[in-house]
Amino acid sequence: AQSVTQLDSQVPVFEEAPVELRCNYSSSVSVYLFWYVQYPNQGLQLLLKYLSGSTLVKGINGFEAEFNKSQTSFHLRKPSVHISDTAEYFCAVSNQGAQKLVFGQGTRLTINP
Amino acid sequence: DTGVSQDPRHKITKRGQNVTFRCDPISEHNRLYWYRQTLGQGPEFLTYFQNEAQLEKSRLLSDRFSAERPKGSFSTLEIQRTEQGDSAMYLCASSPRDSHGYTFGSGTRLTVV
Repeated sequence: AQSVTQLDSQVPVFEEAPVELRCNYSSSVSVYLFWYVQYPNQGLQLLLKYLSGSTLVKGINGFEAEFNKSQTSFHLRKPSVHISDTAEYFCAVSNQGAQKLVFGQGTRLTINP
Repeated sequence: DTGVSQDPRHKITKRGQNVTFRCDPISEHNRLYWYRQTLGQGPEFLTYFQNEAQLEKSRLLSDRFSAERPKGSFSTLEIQRTEQGDSAMYLCASSPRDSHGYTFGSGTRLTVV
């Protein structure tokens, strides 16, 4: 069975500072990896996804993530955050060829001025 | 296209009552998914349709839960004899056939009192 561990439940950072949100996954087969963002009282929005190819994936809003197969990680990074990035971030995994996503528990990113 | 639409946004019901939620996916998307998200957790997969066929169903979906997508367009999720543990956000998502990564709706928040 697959699982996703988001290592930090909350991450506070100052505006314009860099941030990294950590995600590790467990799977016995090849996977696809995703990061989603959820603003208060809204659904989830896809930030970026890794399907194959380059292990560095660029997404929307200046976010990027790096797939590391040996460490089974898919950490999300942004070099300079804004107040508007305050939200809950979810890492998710699916088996290649499957439709179901397995989500982590989420990381709440709080940006302080 | 206005994205994935869910109705109602909020529902408060008494324990033991039946409730039904509706999801209208993006029109050209033939895959439709239901997830449940409880407070402080990531979304959990409930079920998935390709056109009108329900192709996968989670063990989380007890006999009190039923989902339909009769004409391969909108979908309904019904919960019979609601329990307090059913209180959650119910998220619908859709995707095209050969795509990975969904578009989520804003969800229906169910409160069982």
